[in-house]
Amino acid sequence: NAGVTQTPKFQVLKTGQSMTLQCAQDMNHEYMSWYRQDPGMGLRLIHYSVGAGITDQGEVPNGYNVSRSTTEDFPLRLLSAAPSQTSVYFCASSMEKIAGGGTGELFFGEGSRLTVL
Amino acid sequence: RKEVEQDPGPFNVPEGATVAFNCTYSNSASQSFFWYRQDCRKEPKLLMSVYSSGNEDGRFTAQLNRASQYISLLIRDSKLSDSATYLCVVNMKPLAGFQKLVFGTGTRLLVSP
Repeated sequence: NAGVTQTPKFQVLKTGQSMTLQCAQDMNHEYMSWYRQDPGMGLRLIHYSVGAGITDQGEVPNGYNVSRSTTEDFPLRLLSAAPSQTSVYFCASSMEKIAGGGTGELFFGEGSRLTVL
Repeated sequence: RKEVEQDPGPFNVPEGATVAFNCTYSNSASQSFFWYRQDCRKEPKLLMSVYSSGNEDGRFTAQLNRASQYISLLIRDSKLSDSATYLCVVNMKPLAGFQKLVFGTGTRLLVSP
């Protein structure tokens, strides 16, 4: 019953440090994505992937890199952390690649709380 | 104008009350609509999809008004466990192979004894 697993759950970084947020799903979903959630703002899409080897930018991609070497894993890399990247990060997956197909349900991980000092 | 707008609340209601939230969206070409629930410091989870004809799931009723570009969520007989933030989600413009889901900021509901 793992679903979408994110690690770490909490992380404190200093400005300029790099790190990787891990995301894994065991539902064989092709679509995976990373969102960030900030107070007073809706979840904003950072990067997404529609299958292994295929990634693209979302709404707020600057400062982040992703790769998708397997169906299961979709890590998010912060290249040089900045205080503006303090946020809660959610990884999400979906069976549906086409908008509105089926239930259109996104399955989220529990979130990773990142603080950049 | 935001693509998806919600009243942030909080809505404070007693147990047993009926409460309704609205959400407006800017893109008339939007294809599909959802309500997600997010508990404090937890991940969002799908509550229900919103269909053109309206749909009901137990105490929850969702409505869509395409002409006025808003969706609504009605909760009857509120329970303490309904306390959460309700996110309006709109699929703005489907692109090939990509769901462009836009999330509202959420409406916070507090149900008190």
